[in-house]
Amino acid sequence: EDKVVQSPLSLVVHEGDTVTLNCSYEVTNFRSLLWYKQEKKAPTFLFMLTSSGIEKKSGRLSSILDKKELFSILNITATQTGDSAVYLCAVEAMSFQKLVFGTGTRLLVSP
Amino acid sequence: DAGVIQSPRHEVTEMGQEVTLRCKPISGHNSLFWYRQTMMRGLELLIYFNNNVPIDDSGMPEDRFSAKMPNASFSTLKIQPSEPRDSAVYFCASSPADTAYEQYFGPGTRLTVT
Repeated sequence: EDKVVQSPLSLVVHEGDTVTLNCSYEVTNFRSLLWYKQEKKAPTFLFMLTSSGIEKKSGRLSSILDKKELFSILNITATQTGDSAVYLCAVEAMSFQKLVFGTGTRLLVSP
Repeated sequence: DAGVIQSPRHEVTEMGQEVTLRCKPISGHNSLFWYRQTMMRGLELLIYFNNNVPIDDSGMPEDRFSAKMPNASFSTLKIQPSEPRDSAVYFCASSPADTAYEQYFGPGTRLTVT
């Protein structure tokens, strides 16, 4: 059965800290790994990763994939209170468009 | 661009009642997904459609759940009869591509079954 595990489950940091969120996966016929940010409502897309070792970057957020060890990390530098959210990792298998989500990491950035 | 539209935004109903959730995908998107999110199980895919055809409904929990997509601009998820354990947030998402990336999520319907 396809599985995505995220850690930690929750995290509290101070503004300005750097955080690393982890996502490990087991999936048949891996196609891509995606990161989403979910605040109070719907998840919003952050990154899609398909190749190992290539960092994707958007402002203070960056992510990288290791297809050999079957994991990805999401880094957030110089955190701000607006980064407080649940961060979801999802894996797409070759079985056409199906995403398997982890339960998420709840990040709280305190001022 | 209006984004994915879901209705109602909140639904409170009694056990045994029929519940219908509605979704309008982004115009031009050819894939539509229904998800359920709970604290315990996270975000789970229930069913998805491609070009209005159901592709995979293996995530639909029971026969009490059914979904339809009669045309490219409308889909429903029906629960009949509803049970308290169906209480969750139900998201609809649409995608323009033949892969799952960049699925655009609607605001969700928070369902409470008492």
